[in-house]
Amino acid sequence: DVKVTQSSRYLVKRTGEKVFLECVQDMDHENMFWYRQDPGLGLRLIYFSYDVKMKEKGDIPEGYSVSREKKERFSLILESASTNQTSMYLCASSPSGGGQPQHFGDGTRLSIL
Amino acid sequence: AQSVTQLGSHVSVSEGALVLLRCNYSSSVPPYLFWYVQYPNQGLQLLLKYTSAATLVKGINGFEAEFKKSETSFHLTKPSAHMSDAAEYFCAVSASNTGNQFYFGTGTSLTVIP
Repeated sequence: DVKVTQSSRYLVKRTGEKVFLECVQDMDHENMFWYRQDPGLGLRLIYFSYDVKMKEKGDIPEGYSVSREKKERFSLILESASTNQTSMYLCASSPSGGGQPQHFGDGTRLSIL
Repeated sequence: AQSVTQLGSHVSVSEGALVLLRCNYSSSVPPYLFWYVQYPNQGLQLLLKYTSAATLVKGINGFEAEFKKSETSFHLTKPSAHMSDAAEYFCAVSASNTGNQFYFGTGTSLTVIP
């Protein structure tokens, strides 16, 4: 089974802090994704990556950056956390090729105080 | 461009009754379609997927969905609801010209009444 592991289930940080969310997958997938999930809004794509050291902006990249130094690891960075970034963050991975499903981690519930 | 509309943000059914969750998609090219389920405080789990083979797709936990191109729909059904089906359900679309980028609907919360 594919395993996507997010480093924290719950995280509490303060406004202005630099926050790192880590995601690791164990299936050698080329593609990795970061979403945020908010009630009534579904999943919104923040950033994705098709390869090591490669990144593409999703629909809501403002206030976020990402890093992919190794194929299995995709990090989401909040440069200066703000209260409107309080949300559930979901990481996913998939193999390349059309029609491949994305596999999700259990999510990180992030609260910014 | 691709998009998904899920009609009904909340659906309630009685235990043993038919479950019908609606999903309509928009895609300029042949789509790939997916249904995911999310239980509280968990990530999304794949229920089933349509990738241009059979139009009636069977998934896990007794769910199935039918791809209807003329109606641009991919509704999820289950003949008899179980209490354990209570969860949030998401429909998603991707296409060959968007790589593996998914577009998700806003979700439908299913309540099962005993």
